[in-house]
Parts: sequence; structure tokens; C-alpha cells
Amino acid sequence: AQSVSQHNHHVILSEAASLELGCNYSYGGTVNLFWYVQYPGQHLQLLLKYFSGDPLVKGIKGFEAEFIKSKFSFNLRKPSVQWSDTAEYFCAVSDYNQGGKLIFGQGTELSVKP
Amino acid sequence: DAGVIQSPRHEVTEMGQEVTLRCKPISGHDYLFWYRQTMMRGLELLIYFNNNVPIDDSGMPEDRFSAKMPNASFSTLKIQPSEPRDSAVYFCASRGVSWEETQYFGPGTRLLVL
Repeated sequence: AQSVSQHNHHVILSEAASLELGCNYSYGGTVNLFWYVQYPGQHLQLLLKYFSGDPLVKGIKGFEAEFIKSKFSFNLRKPSVQWSDTAEYFCAVSDYNQGGKLIFGQGTELSVKP
Repeated sequence: DAGVIQSPRHEVTEMGQEVTLRCKPISGHDYLFWYRQTMMRGLELLIYFNNNVPIDDSGMPEDRFSAKMPNASFSTLKIQPSEPRDSAVYFCASRGVSWEETQYFGPGTRLLVL
């Protein structure tokens, strides 16, 4: 079965520090990859997604992610975090053969200290 | 568009009571998904519909859970009887016809079963 693994459960950074959140998935077929963000008390919002083409994907609020097929990875990055980036971040994969339903990782809680 | 609408936003009930959660997907979306979010298990897909037809309900935890989609603009998730371990945030999401499209999430219903 497909699975998504996020290695960091809780990350604490100071403002202006660089961020990289790891995401690995286990599936060899055609997949789409997503990063969603959930701000405290709010619903999930899409940060960015990869379908095909350029493996470096740029999203909202200065986030980007790189798809490395050989490593089954889709790590999220941001050069300089802000206090307002404090949130939970979810990596997800959708599988064509399963109607495109999303399988989520466990999430990474990011706390940015002002 | 108003996005995905869920009601109620918060529900507190006593063990044994029936709970009904409601969702209105984005107009024109063909797919509707119900997820449950808990600290222990993260985000889990419970069931999804395509054109009002349930496609995959393998994530529904028990017979106490049931979901319906009587028309393209309305779905319900019912728990009868409810138990304390059902306490969670329940999200509804919808998506267009293509598996490559983004799923848009509603604000969630925060359920507490006492």
C-alpha cells in the first residue's frame, strides 16, 4: 500500500532561518505530490503541487519543493521563515489508480520563534 | 465561489447520541472526500464519492459510521451511536473531474463526544 513519511514531527526555528521538511513516499507508479499547510485552528490549504515537468515547484508564500524521483522524495523548502509560517505541514500523494485520493503523511509541526 | 462548506463547525455530544456532519462541495466538483484528523492517527481518508456514488469506503472505521451523498451539492457523515474515541476534526474536501486537480478542503467540524 502507498504510504507517505514525514521525518520531522516538530521543527523549531528562529525567524530568518532556512527550512527544509522531508517527505518520502512509497509508490513506483504515476503520482501527483502535494504540500498542504494548516495554520492553527484553520483548514488545510494548498501550498504547492507537482504533476509533471520541472521537478522544482514553486508555491505560495515563498515555498518551493523539489521532486526527486530516484529518491521518492518531495522535500519542502523556504530560504527564510517568518513567524507567520508557524503551522502544521502535510505532504500528500495521490495515485491515479486509486481515483486520485490523497494519502497524507503524519504532518510536521513548525514553530517559528520571533 | 464560497469554497467547501461544512456544518456545524463545532459539535459537543454525549456518548450514544447520533451525530450528523454536513458538507456542501464546490459547485461543479465531481469528487467529494471525507477525512478525519486526530493527534494519534493524523489525517485519514474515510470515504469518497464520485458523481454522488460512494467509490471507496475502506477507511470507514466501523458500521457506526455511514455517509451519503443524495445529490451533487450535499453530503452527510453520520455516526450512530457516537463514542468518545470518535472525537476528532472531520474535514470534507472536493475536487474536479481529473485526478490531477487539487482537492479543496472545508473548515472542518470539531467533534467532541463526552
